[in-house]
Amino acid sequence: QSVLTQPPSVSAAPGQKVTISCSGSSSNIGSNHVSWYQQLPGTAPKLLIYDNNNRPSGIPDRFSGSKSGTSATLAITGLQTGDEADYYCGTWERSLSVWVFGGGTKVTVL
Amino acid sequence: EVQVLESGGGLVQPGGSLRLSCAASGFTFSSYPMSWARQAPGKGLEWVAGISDNGDGTFYADSVKGRIAISRDNSKNTLYLQLNSLRAEDTGVYYCAKVAVAPYTDYYYMDVWGKGTTVTVSS
Repeated sequence: QSVLTQPPSVSAAPGQKVTISCSGSSSNIGSNHVSWYQQLPGTAPKLLIYDNNNRPSGIPDRFSGSKSGTSATLAITGLQTGDEADYYCGTWERSLSVWVFGGGTKVTVL
Repeated sequence: EVQVLESGGGLVQPGGSLRLSCAASGFTFSSYPMSWARQAPGKGLEWVAGISDNGDGTFYADSVKGRIAISRDNSKNTLYLQLNSLRAEDTGVYYCAKVAVAPYTDYYYMDVWGKGTTVTVSS
């Protein structure tokens, strides 16, 4: 059971929007910044969003992040078949001095 | 180009040991914390260990505490993960990641990941 809770899967048609939630607590999301990682099938994870809502260079603005209280959300607009991947949220858990990941969400483009 | 490259994975018997290496290039290695994460077959990501930029601070997940050790050699731009008393549940792909810190904060994130090295624990 992951410290951060994500839905196992979300899906939508091409061009539509999906949102992925990441729920935590005051000792992790509530007191830290959240980052998001994309893992395409058979590849290593890649940083998608950092500091709650910042995109590294090269990441399209179709991907956006937000945080409110003890939850964070990743939104993908204009969904493309190439967005089919697993997505993970992550942050520092202050009470245990460990990094924690969510369980991951599989995005399927219908 | 900023990159990290893992090596050292392989097949090991239960109870055995293995040392993974991660060679860094394209950035000032000694200025950044580093981490190891792993992924069991068909499962999600699991962070296992982290180390400060100078190596003085080390952090471990409860699932591996006491059995693994993270270390670094800043003169060789290399990160290590010593795996001991290996169990079947340690099987998976082990990733090395460079850790970035948001300016003027202590908020961390993993900005560069390697391709991973596979560890298989089986008799």
